Amino acid sequence: QVQLVESGGGLVKPGGSLRLSCAASGFTFTDYYMSWIRQAPEKGLEWLSYISSSGSTIYYADSVKGRFTISRDNAKNSLYLQMNSLRVDDTAVYYCARGTGYGSFYFDYWGQGALVTVTS
Amino acid sequence: DIQMTQSPSTLSASVGDRVTITCRASQSITSWLAWYQQKPGKAPKLLISKASSLESGVPSRFSGSGSGTEFTLTISSLQPDDFATYYCQQYNTYSTFGGGTKVEIK
Repeated sequence: QVQLVESGGGLVKPGGSLRLSCAASGFTFTDYYMSWIRQAPEKGLEWLSYISSSGSTIYYADSVKGRFTISRDNAKNSLYLQMNSLRVDDTAVYYCARGTGYGSFYFDYWGQGALVTVTS
Repeated sequence: DIQMTQSPSTLSASVGDRVTITCRASQSITSWLAWYQQKPGKAPKLLISKASSLESGVPSRFSGSGSGTEFTLTISSLQPDDFATYYCQQYNTYSTFGGGTKVEIK
């Protein structure tokens, strides 16, 4: 069965950095785009970034462009999100999700989420 | 950027009610729209893709319709397990989620 398991969340000070990981299993990782999506406390969902199956194509939301970097290691079936220059309003649960579709993607499987808290 | 507007933001309903949630896009997204259900403390669950295609295992009381800029999610007879928050997502250009509709017990 498809499983996505995030790790690396935690407490960080404003201006700090954190790296999230997402371990994928139960499907052929190299066949799929992957994405990061976040949800601030008591708020809605916000798409952050896509990465293509090979890693050659990447898109970011304007809110994180220049601060966050998505990457993947297909040999390890893993997705990453490097988060730099963190701000208080980056506090959220961060989900990795599998993208399904052709050229445009919805999300058919999600991880359980990793909580990132940015506070001084 | 494409903006997605859901209405209502909160909906009070009873078991057995027919419930309709609307999602409007700021420009045409043809049929590139998905619907998700989220319960507290859980990840979202995909219900419908391409505006009206029901995912495997999703009860048939859920249905989606629309194209262009206006879409609806309908629950034909609300069940206790359906009290949750629902989100639409456009995937015509990158991805944008609607603000969510919380379906609560009346």
